[in-house]
Amino acid sequence: EPEVTQTPSHQVTQMGQEVILRCVPISNHLYFYWYRQILGQKVEFLVSFYNNEISEKSEIFDDQFSVERPDGSNFTLKIRSTKLEDSAMYFCASSPYREYTEAFFGQGTRLTVV
Amino acid sequence: AQTVTQSQPEMSVQEAETVTLSCTYDTSESDYYLFWYKQPPSRQMILVIRQEAYKQQNATENRFSVNFQKAAKSFSLKISDSQLGDAAMYFCAYRSADPRRSNYKLTFGKGTLLTVNP
Repeated sequence: EPEVTQTPSHQVTQMGQEVILRCVPISNHLYFYWYRQILGQKVEFLVSFYNNEISEKSEIFDDQFSVERPDGSNFTLKIRSTKLEDSAMYFCASSPYREYTEAFFGQGTRLTVV
Repeated sequence: AQTVTQSQPEMSVQEAETVTLSCTYDTSESDYYLFWYKQPPSRQMILVIRQEAYKQQNATENRFSVNFQKAAKSFSLKISDSQLGDAAMYFCAYRSADPRRSNYKLTFGKGTLLTVNP
């Protein structure tokens, strides 16, 4: 069964460093999302992406964050200068088209900023 | 903006018993979807069940069923014959169905940690 895959599963980085979190959505999907879950808290929407551009972003998604679809398969989230409070689980999700009910989630990347 | 509230941070149930997890939400929209996601210790987000707001019939998936009360904006999850593998964090989530929207992000509640006792 097709699935969304995320790499790495766990990344440790020093404060101020840049990190890139990678996602491979399901191949025929067109809508992509990043969500964040700080430990013990709820899952929060970061950004949605369609047709090579951001369609919506939350107030969390400031200038330190960017997303990109560099080729036909990968979807990346970049944090330019990480802060301690960026430590969280980051989930990628995708849907085949806008109206499709379900979003398919990857297994997440645990980011630890030290 | 839509909000989702789960008032039970933790719940426990004996194996083989039934447990109900509560969820309320606030929205001005009339057409939307509601979901329950399960997050086991592996942290993977797994869809358990979904409900279309336009449907009066409550959704059921094997041992999982919902009690959807649209007027009360309530969406509870009932797990029957609880199993040890049901132990997880459960998140209630809302998604708009407004066709004017450019995308359909999910809005999550804070979650309920379910413990299943043998």
